[in-house]
Amino acid sequence: DSGVTQTPKHLITATGQRVTLRCSPRSGDLSVYWYQQSLDQGLQFLIHYYNGEERAKGNILERFSAQQFPDLHSELNLSSLELGDSALYFCASSVLEGASTDTQYFGPGTRLTVL
Amino acid sequence: AQKVTQAQTEISVVEKEDVTLDCVYETRDTTYYLFWYKQPPSGELVFLIRRNSFDEQNEISGRYSWNFQKSTSSFNFTITASQVVDSAVYFCALSEANMGGTSYGKLTFGQGTILTVHP
Repeated sequence: DSGVTQTPKHLITATGQRVTLRCSPRSGDLSVYWYQQSLDQGLQFLIHYYNGEERAKGNILERFSAQQFPDLHSELNLSSLELGDSALYFCASSVLEGASTDTQYFGPGTRLTVL
Repeated sequence: AQKVTQAQTEISVVEKEDVTLDCVYETRDTTYYLFWYKQPPSGELVFLIRRNSFDEQNEISGRYSWNFQKSTSSFNFTITASQVVDSAVYFCALSEANMGGTSYGKLTFGQGTILTVHP
């Protein structure tokens, strides 16, 4: 158990809908990262937040957005869902802002199925 | 741009065999960090090791060992005396450092190697 929690574990929804994925980092970690794992794209970095501020963006669609709250939990919002958004979404956390001694610890993931 | 290549898509071995998973990376930076993660059938990603670009010393942890060679841009992972519980997908990942020598945080993953260990 990495100490990173993600809810829900599974999510099934329809095209065009909007969903919110939630992540609680390990105690003491200030950085939260979101990744998407799909069969065709593999594991892709989406976005990084540090202490409430966006730090880096990767291959994140405009239909997707994220935020990190004062209590350091983070939410990933996916809207106007398409079939291709079906994937496993991981949250990871680390202590600092990617310091040289930093390691990202991953949550169990949320499996999103868009029908 | 940084890139990680795991050329072995799938490997199948019998228990107690040694197995090496290959990882080749590309980066223009002189400071970077390499990682291995394990994804068992349950789906979570488990951290195994982090290595920075200045430390080419090989590392051994129990049945696991890692061979880092900057000259060939490789960071290979060997499991000695494999066990059925080692069956998983293994990912190699790269993180480049910024001007301050710290990691950006963004991990670039290889496509993963599916390891199946048969009893």
